[in-house]
Amino acid sequence: LAKTTQPISMDSYEGQEVNITCSHNNIATNDYITWYQQFPSQGPRFIIQGYKTKVTNEVASLFIPADRKSSTLSLPRVSLSDTAVYYCLVGPPYYSGAGSYQLTFGKGTKLSVIP
Amino acid sequence: NAGVTQTPKFQVLKTGQSMTLQCAQDMNHEYMSWYRQDPGMGLRLIHYSVGAGITDQGEVPNGYNVSRSTTEDFPLRLLSAAPSQTSVYFCASSPSGDRVETQYFGPGTRLLVL
Repeated sequence: LAKTTQPISMDSYEGQEVNITCSHNNIATNDYITWYQQFPSQGPRFIIQGYKTKVTNEVASLFIPADRKSSTLSLPRVSLSDTAVYYCLVGPPYYSGAGSYQLTFGKGTKLSVIP
Repeated sequence: NAGVTQTPKFQVLKTGQSMTLQCAQDMNHEYMSWYRQDPGMGLRLIHYSVGAGITDQGEVPNGYNVSRSTTEDFPLRLLSAAPSQTSVYFCASSPSGDRVETQYFGPGTRLLVL
């Protein structure tokens, strides 16, 4: 399983762009990179997923360099409601046999948005 | 749709007791999983299922059993509760054919083992 490394915490002021980088040096060829958001006392919520280059949706952007050994989640103009823990996951996109469906959530990055 | 539901919301057990955490989804999802989250930690996969009658172990399966007799339900059984199993348990589901990362999580069950 590809191991991921993220900063433990980050602070940002409201209205700023926040970039959270995740390192995954041993990512496999068929692994995708996915980010989840978790608020206190709730289950995680899917934010964005990508394989290479750049992916953008209504919530965030995901930047993946050519070597895919890292990725950056970009949150534009954060608000207080973006205060949460953000998890970077690396794993195969589909179940392909016993033991293959293993997604590892690390400790995540605790983002605190300051008024 | 109710999405993914979990019961109970909170449970206190004594060491050695057994119990079943219930998880149900009404989205006709093939994939279902159980995770545990300890304070200040990420989620760790306990068991998962890719369809009725098919289950597999995750990262931390010891002390837990699962079965999947229907598409809708995926109960997690604690055989003999231990204080180390004090945690928040999350159930998740994902549609078949979709990338497994796009999981939908339930609200969680908080378990305290004394």
